[in-house]
This record gives sequence, structure tokens and C-alpha cells, in this order.
Amino acid sequence: DSGVTQTPKHLITATGQRVTLRCSPRSGDLSVYWYQQSLDQGLQFLIQYYNGEERAKGNILERFSAQQFPDLHSELNLSSLELGDSALYFCASSVDLLTIEQYFGPGTRLTVT
Amino acid sequence: AQSVTQLGSHVSVSEGALVLLRCNYSSSVPPYLFWYVQYPNQGLQLLLKYTSAATLVKGINGFEAEFKKSETSFHLTKPSAHMSDAAEYFCAVSDRSGGYQKVTFGTGTKLQVIP
Repeated sequence: DSGVTQTPKHLITATGQRVTLRCSPRSGDLSVYWYQQSLDQGLQFLIQYYNGEERAKGNILERFSAQQFPDLHSELNLSSLELGDSALYFCASSVDLLTIEQYFGPGTRLTVT
Repeated sequence: AQSVTQLGSHVSVSEGALVLLRCNYSSSVPPYLFWYVQYPNQGLQLLLKYTSAATLVKGINGFEAEFKKSETSFHLTKPSAHMSDAAEYFCAVSDRSGGYQKVTFGTGTKLQVIP
């Protein structure tokens, strides 16, 4: 158990819908990362937040957005969902911006039908 | 830009045999290198990391990796495979240019252990 929690574990929704994935980092970790893992694209970095502020963006679509709240939990919002958005979405956390160890949550499996 | 290449998307070894998973990296700055393991239906777990100290890095579960700058490699090894080692392994490279840690993952290698 990494100490990072993600909810829900599974999510099935239809194309065009909007979903919110939630992540709680390890106690004391200020930095949160979101990743997408799919069969065709592998593990892709989406976005990073640090202490409530966006700090880095990766291959994140404009239909996707995220935020980190004052209690440091983070939410990833996916809208206008397409079949290709079906994937595992992982959250990871680290102590701060420069600490190299990231601790991964168990992931949310999103299926878009 | 940094990148990692994992040679072989699938590797099969017999139980008790040597495990060798290959990773080559590209980075414009001295890199930090990692190996992560992912068991079915689970998140990634850090196996070991290289941070420019010792070139031979020991990790959990008997795994180790050697950083070879001349070969830009960071191959993962284990002397004797166990059935519980069956999983997917990801090599990753990180640098801190730009004031934050940017991690790039390889495409993964699925390890099958044959009894």
C-alpha cells in the first residue's frame, strides 16, 4: 500500500459524458501527478500540481482538466468523453517538486462505451 | 528531450534463471533513472533508483541495475527468477530542468516466469 488513494476503482460511462476522478496523496506529500495508461500510448504524464498550483503539463487534452484543493487532494475532470479515453488513470504523489520518488495509487479504470 | 527505450515488450524466463530486462536512455543532462514494477490490476511500485551515487543500485525483491554512462544503459537484473516476479516492468528517466521533476516512462516489458 503506497498510501495514495484513488476513487472510484472502476468507472463505466458513455461517450460525450463527463467524469471526475479523485486522488488523495500520501500524508505530507505536496505534489500530485496524473498519468494515463493505455494499450496504444503506454504510460503518459498528464499534469502535475504542487501545493494547489499547476506546475507542469504533459500530454493532456483540452477536454481534460485538473485541480488540487487546499487539503491537497486532487481531481481530474474528463469531459466530452470519447472511446479512446478508455484507460487506466493513475495518480502519484511526492513530497515536493524536486523529490524524485513518486508513489502511485492503484488507479481508476475508465471504460467509455 | 529525454527518453527511454526498453528492448523487448515480452521476456520469458524459467524459474530460477537469470532475469535481464534492458533499458537505454537519452538525456541532455545527468539523469535520474528508475525501474518500476506493475503487478496485474495494481499501480506502479518503485523497484530501485539511480541518483548519481553508486553505479550499481540494489532494489527490492533481489533486483539490481547498473548505470553505464558509456552505453547509456540501465539494465535490470535478478540472478534467479521467482514465479512472483511475473509482472510488467517500466524503466523511467527523470530530470529536474525547468524546476520540476519530469518523468518519462518506457513502454514496459512484461516478464513471464515459466515453472
